[in-house]
Formats: sequence, structure tokens, C-alpha cells
Amino acid sequence: AQSVAQPEDQVNVAEGNPLTVKCTYSVSGNPYLFWYVQYPNRGLQFLLKYITGDNLVKGSYGFEAEFNKSQTSFHLKKPSALVSDSALYFCAVRGRNTDKLIFGTGTRLQVFP
Amino acid sequence: SAVISQKPSRDICQRGTSLTIQCQVDSQVTMMFWYRQQPGQSLTLIATANQGSEATYESGFVIDKFPISRPNLTFSTLTVSNMSPEDSSIYLCSVDILRLADQGEQFFGPGTRLTVL
Repeated sequence: AQSVAQPEDQVNVAEGNPLTVKCTYSVSGNPYLFWYVQYPNRGLQFLLKYITGDNLVKGSYGFEAEFNKSQTSFHLKKPSALVSDSALYFCAVRGRNTDKLIFGTGTRLQVFP
Repeated sequence: SAVISQKPSRDICQRGTSLTIQCQVDSQVTMMFWYRQQPGQSLTLIATANQGSEATYESGFVIDKFPISRPNLTFSTLTVSNMSPEDSSIYLCSVDILRLADQGEQFFGPGTRLTVL
């Protein structure tokens, strides 16, 4: 069965510092991996995806994620956090033979000025 | 990408009543999805709606409780029937616009925040 784990309920970081939001997955075969962000009272916004190729994927708002097959991880990163990055972040996985997205439990990112 | 709208954006309903949520997309899409996000929790897929066929429901969700319509390639509705306070959630629709490429991310509507008293 497919699953996604986001081990941290909340991540706190000071503005200007690098941030990492962790995600590990379990899926048979090669997965499609996604990161979404949800601002208060808003829907989900797509940030980036890994399909194939380069393990480092760049996305919106300066975010990037690194696919690590051996560790089955897809951590979200940003070199320098902004207060406006404070939001709820969801990792999601989809197997190659299904349309179904499986979401992690979400990680709340709080960036302090 | 796609522009997705949902109506209503929020509603407060009495238990035992039903609410129909509409989802409109600005382009034709093959697959539309309905999710539920309970307070403080992640997203759970309710069902997948393809135009011209019956919706496919996930485990724990049934058609009598969550009937879905998909009359065309740009529109779908989800009805939450015989509501109870446990149905208080955000309901989101999403679309997969790159189905043919088989690698499309899903784009989400803004959600409908439902409170059942």
C-alpha cells in the first residue's frame, strides 16, 4: 500500500535561515512525488514535482526538493526562508499505475522574523 | 494549470439536511477528484469522477452519502447528504489536466468550508 510520512507536525525557522520539511514515502515501483502548500483559508497550491531525471527539483517561490531513492525521501528545502513562507505543507505520492494521490499529514512551517 | 472555482465557499448547515457543492473548471478535463480535509488533518480522497461514468468511491465513502454528478468535462457536483456534525470539513475538488501525459499534478479548487450544527 502507498503511504507518505511527514514526521514533523511543525517546523520553526528564523527568517533568512535555510529550511527543510521532511517527507518519506512507501510505494511500489517508481513514484511521482509532489509538494503542495496551503495558506490559511485557501486551497492547495502546487509547488513542485518529481517525475524522473534530475534528483533535485526546483519549484515555485524558490523552493526545491531532493529525491533520494535509497532513503525513499523527498525533502522540501529553501535556502533562505521568508516570513511569508509560513503555511501548511503537504507531501503527496502517486504510483505510476494509478491516478490516486496519497497525502502526508502535513507540516506547519512557521518562519519567525 | 487550470482555474477552478467552487460554490459555495462556506456554509453552515443543520444536521439532517443536504448540501450540494459545485466545482467548475476553465478547461476540459478528464478526471476530477473530490477530497475531504477534516479540521487539522490531511486530505482524504472521497471519489474520482469521470465524465460519462459512475464515480469511483474510496473505502469508507458511499454513493448514498456523497452522490456525485459529472455532466460534462468542466463541471462536477458533490452532495453531502443527511449531514451530521462529523461532516464538518473542508471539501476540495481537484483536476488532473495532463492525464494523457500520465504525469500530471492535480490542481485544487479553493475549497468549501462546511460546518454542520
